[in-house]
Amino acid sequence: EPEVTQTPSHQVTQMGQEVILRCVPISNHLYFYWYRQILGQKVEFLVSFYNNEISEKSEIFDDQFSVERPDGSNFTLKIRSTKLEDSAMYFCASSEAGGPFGELFFGEGSRLTVL
Amino acid sequence: KQEVTQIPAALSVPEGENLVLNCSFTDSAIYNLQWFRQDPGKGLTSLLLIQSSQREQTSGRLNASLDKSSGRSTLYIAASQPGDSATYLCAAPKPSGSRLTFGEGTQLTVNP
Repeated sequence: EPEVTQTPSHQVTQMGQEVILRCVPISNHLYFYWYRQILGQKVEFLVSFYNNEISEKSEIFDDQFSVERPDGSNFTLKIRSTKLEDSAMYFCASSEAGGPFGELFFGEGSRLTVL
Repeated sequence: KQEVTQIPAALSVPEGENLVLNCSFTDSAIYNLQWFRQDPGKGLTSLLLIQSSQREQTSGRLNASLDKSSGRSTLYIAASQPGDSATYLCAAPKPSGSRLTFGEGTQLTVNP
């Protein structure tokens, strides 16, 4: 069964360092997303991406964050200068249909720990 | 702004029991609602997507219902098993956009 894969599964970094989280969405999906879950809190939307541009972003997704689809298979989330409060589980998701219509499929997540 | 609430926060039942998990949402102008399962430290597994045109959607022992007018969805699990122990999340999309708003989840424990 097709699945969304994410790497790394766990990354530990020092405050102020840049981090890149990688995702390989399901191959025929066209809409891509990043969500995050701080320990003990709700899953929160960060950004959606379609046709090589951001289609929607949340207030969390400030200038420290960026997303890119560098090739036909990968989708990345970059945090430019990490803060302690960026420590969370980051989930990539993809869907075949976009907007409010699509069924989202999530990866296993990348746990980011900022020290 | 869409807000999603799940009740109860935690539920512990003996194996074999049928149970209902509740989800409510504030903006009823949704096209669908999705239920997920999350095991500790793991990702989100999609269980059911129920379209606004449907009243129910079934997958195996799971049945989800959606009542847009009352802003509610329920997930019914029949004949629960210890392997069903997990956190169950419901998520509703923003009516005019792409983001999903998640509830806090119901942590289910099925005791053998």
